[in-house]
Amino acid sequence: QSVLTQPPSASGTPGQRVTISCSGSTSNIESNYVYWYQQLPGTAPRLLIYRNNQRPSGVPDRFSGSKSGTSASLAISGLRSEDEAEYYCATWDDSLSGRGVFGGGTKLTVL
Amino acid sequence: QVQLVQSGAEVRKPGASVRVSCKATGYTFIGYYIHWVRQAPGQGLEWMGWINPNSGGTKYGEKFQGRVTMTRDTSISTAYMEVNRLTSDDTAVYYCARGVNYDGSGRLLEFDYWGQGTLVTVSS
Repeated sequence: QSVLTQPPSASGTPGQRVTISCSGSTSNIESNYVYWYQQLPGTAPRLLIYRNNQRPSGVPDRFSGSKSGTSASLAISGLRSEDEAEYYCATWDDSLSGRGVFGGGTKLTVL
Repeated sequence: QVQLVQSGAEVRKPGASVRVSCKATGYTFIGYYIHWVRQAPGQGLEWMGWINPNSGGTKYGEKFQGRVTMTRDTSISTAYMEVNRLTSDDTAVYYCARGVNYDGSGRLLEFDYWGQGTLVTVSS
């Protein structure tokens, strides 16, 4: 059972906008930065969003992140077939002497 | 260019230990933390801990305290992660990742480069 809750699946058609939610608590999301990672099958994760809403160079501006209180979300606009992947949110949790935590992951399907 | 190159796949029996290495090139090794993240087959990502290559200081997830040891050799820009008393639940791909740490808190999960992953299989 993950400390951060994500929907197990999401889907959309090419060109659509989809959002993936990440729900946490006051000891993690509310108190710390949120990060988003994209993982294609058989590959290492890739950093998509850092510090809640910042994009690393090379990440298209179709990807955006936001945070409010104990929740965060990743939005993908202009959906493309290559966006089909697993998406994970991550943050620090200040409970239990502190630890990194990931959401359970959301499998995005482009229909 | 920045690269993290991990050691190859390992097979161990229950109760044994395994050590995975992560060699860093293309940047100043002591300038970034190294985090370890694992992923069991068909499962999500699980954070294990980090090592500060500059000081050798470590932070482990509570689940891994006492069973995991992270070390580094700055002379060869390599980090190591050892897991003891392996069980079948430790079968996973283990990743090292470079962690940005501009505030010195160790609480940032900003992993800008990842190793290719090392599959550790625990089976009798």
